[in-house]
Amino acid sequence: AQKVTQAQTEISVVEKEDVTLDCVYETRDTTYYLFWYKQPPSGELVFLIRRNSFDEQNEISGRYSWNFQKSTSSFNFTITASQVVDSAVYFCALSEGRSGYSTLTFGKGTMLLVSP
Amino acid sequence: GAVVSQHPSRVICKSGTSVKIECRSLDFQATTMFWYRQFPKQSLMLMATSNEGSKATYEQGVEKDKFLINHASLTLSTLTVTSAHPEDSSFYICSAREPGRVNTEAFFGQGTRLTVV
Repeated sequence: AQKVTQAQTEISVVEKEDVTLDCVYETRDTTYYLFWYKQPPSGELVFLIRRNSFDEQNEISGRYSWNFQKSTSSFNFTITASQVVDSAVYFCALSEGRSGYSTLTFGKGTMLLVSP
Repeated sequence: GAVVSQHPSRVICKSGTSVKIECRSLDFQATTMFWYRQFPKQSLMLMATSNEGSKATYEQGVEKDKFLINHASLTLSTLTVTSAHPEDSSFYICSAREPGRVNTEAFFGQGTRLTVV
């Protein structure tokens, strides 16, 4: 069975601080996909990134960066120079690769509060 | 990117009535759609997988007679909460994937906040 753990329930930072959101996953599959989504107060889910299990390259997109380490089953997300608009709940999710329509298993989410 | 539209975004209904939520894929045909439920400050829990032209597959613990799912066309899936009670108040969100694109990101609707009074 697959499982995603986001141990940090809530993180509070001051604007311009860097912050890392942790994600640890469990799966028996060798092929799987990892995702990060942002959920602002309005409720919609905003896709941030997808990474497959065969690509361990770290990725940077503007102020966002992701560190994927299979050895520790982690897929951590770092926001550099955080801004108030980054305040949201962030979900890490896992999809196993056996089926083209496999569902997403979500972590419990980390609420990020960025104060001015 | 693909767009999934969900309607209504917010609904308040009286206890005992039924509420229908629509999920539409706007620029692609979705043979499979997913329905999730999210309680306040909690994660998204998969309720059911909606398959076009066939019966939905429900997750364990989800009452299929309570949460009716119909996927009558390739672009529309509906979730009907029957005889709603206050404990059904929650945030419901659907998602869909483009056929043939294995494990791409799932596109999510805007979500529906249901309040049963």
